[in-house]
Amino acid sequence: DAGVIQSPRHEVTEMGQEVTLRCKPISGHNSLFWYRQTMMRGLELLIYFNNNVPIDDSGMPEDRFSAKMPNASFSTLKIQPSEPRDSAVYFCASSLNRGPYNEQFFGPGTRLTVL
Amino acid sequence: GENVEQHPSTLSVQEGDSAVIKCTYSDSASNYFPWYKQELGKGPQLIIDIRSNVGEKKDQRIAVTLNKTAKHFSLHITETQPEDSAVYFCAASSDSWGKLQFGAGTQVVVTP
Repeated sequence: DAGVIQSPRHEVTEMGQEVTLRCKPISGHNSLFWYRQTMMRGLELLIYFNNNVPIDDSGMPEDRFSAKMPNASFSTLKIQPSEPRDSAVYFCASSLNRGPYNEQFFGPGTRLTVL
Repeated sequence: GENVEQHPSTLSVQEGDSAVIKCTYSDSASNYFPWYKQELGKGPQLIIDIRSNVGEKKDQRIAVTLNKTAKHFSLHITETQPEDSAVYFCAASSDSWGKLQFGAGTQVVVTP
């Protein structure tokens, strides 16, 4: 298996632009997590899905952030409009949810820079 | 909600020595405690985990201990090697969906 795939790996954009980050989870996994990593705040969980349904989006910082999972093999995280403080590395992770003890497999991340 | 604190934030050890990272958690309902290793430019990767019904678990040079009464758990790396240099994260979960609360991370540097 290729693991969790994220695209793009790097994104540089200007303030006010729309940014869309993409994630393909491991085939057969039924849970998907979006994280943001910064030096100041560490690893923050933004939102997670189970069987394509959003379970908890309490970590989404504000209405400028939205996430979708239209099917089991694809998810997007959108920021509109983007701001310099959104600069971070965004990780997608997936797991096979069979109870409370689930290993999360992380993708390589997308490094976002908002100028 | 769950709060996980991790210490130290940085740890420098000589090759061959041991490294210990400690974490505390706040939610007594937490029952799953994984440890992740993050190398530069990569996503975190699970290296070992422990469940609440176990006090200790070992896998070659790494071991984890859990004290549920005190609500703390630790990662021990013995005979450290340069390839152990990375950022290590502890995490805790009390969520049936697998939601994890991560600690702030420990930068481990192993010097030859």
